[in-house]
Amino acid sequence: DAGVTQSPTHLIKTRGQQVTLRCSPKSGHDTVSWYQQALGQGPQFIFQYYEEEERQRGNFPDRFSGHQFPNYSSELNVNALLLGDSALYLCASSPGTTSYEQYFGPGTRLTVT
Amino acid sequence: GQNIDQPTEMTATEGAIVQINCTYQTSGFNGLFWYQQHAGEAPTFLSYNVLDGLEEKGRFSSFLSRSKGYSYLLLKELQMKDSASYLCAVRSNTNAGKSTFGDGTTLTVKP
Repeated sequence: DAGVTQSPTHLIKTRGQQVTLRCSPKSGHDTVSWYQQALGQGPQFIFQYYEEEERQRGNFPDRFSGHQFPNYSSELNVNALLLGDSALYLCASSPGTTSYEQYFGPGTRLTVT
Repeated sequence: GQNIDQPTEMTATEGAIVQINCTYQTSGFNGLFWYQQHAGEAPTFLSYNVLDGLEEKGRFSSFLSRSKGYSYLLLKELQMKDSASYLCAVRSNTNAGKSTFGDGTTLTVKP
């Protein structure tokens, strides 16, 4: 049973560019949440997708957007990259929006130069 | 607003016991998580407390006092592999995905 998978593992982009990160949830999970984790800090909630819609959103600008597909996989898009967007981006899946179970993927390390 | 405080770093000796504290002030409370995160890896679930008291799970135990906004994670019989960051996170509503995390406590276990 595959856990949460994310791609790519690492990514280097230039300021102003756009990036797309991908996540496949754990089998049986239909809810995907995205977090940004800067070095030395805890993860910060970006948004959550359920039934192909954004259900909750944290304090992130509109440059951060996402999508969920019918197979429950999800994408995180970041436009107009800033140096401060350099971080580990974590995807977490859960079986529904109210379950306390949450499994994290290995993350995508994004470096903006 | 949400505020979660944990010590930044702790050091302990192999075989010893260590207690990592977490205090929180949140607009709502539905439960408190503890996660372990090794450097460069994803957080892994350790415990989830909803009610006051101590919950034991093998070498790890977690305590919660809702009235005091306080929790701790107790690690017994420390092993070198326990060297990691320990994250406290509060679920402020029924949506587990919108948890608020502390910045983590980096634990170093020395021989």
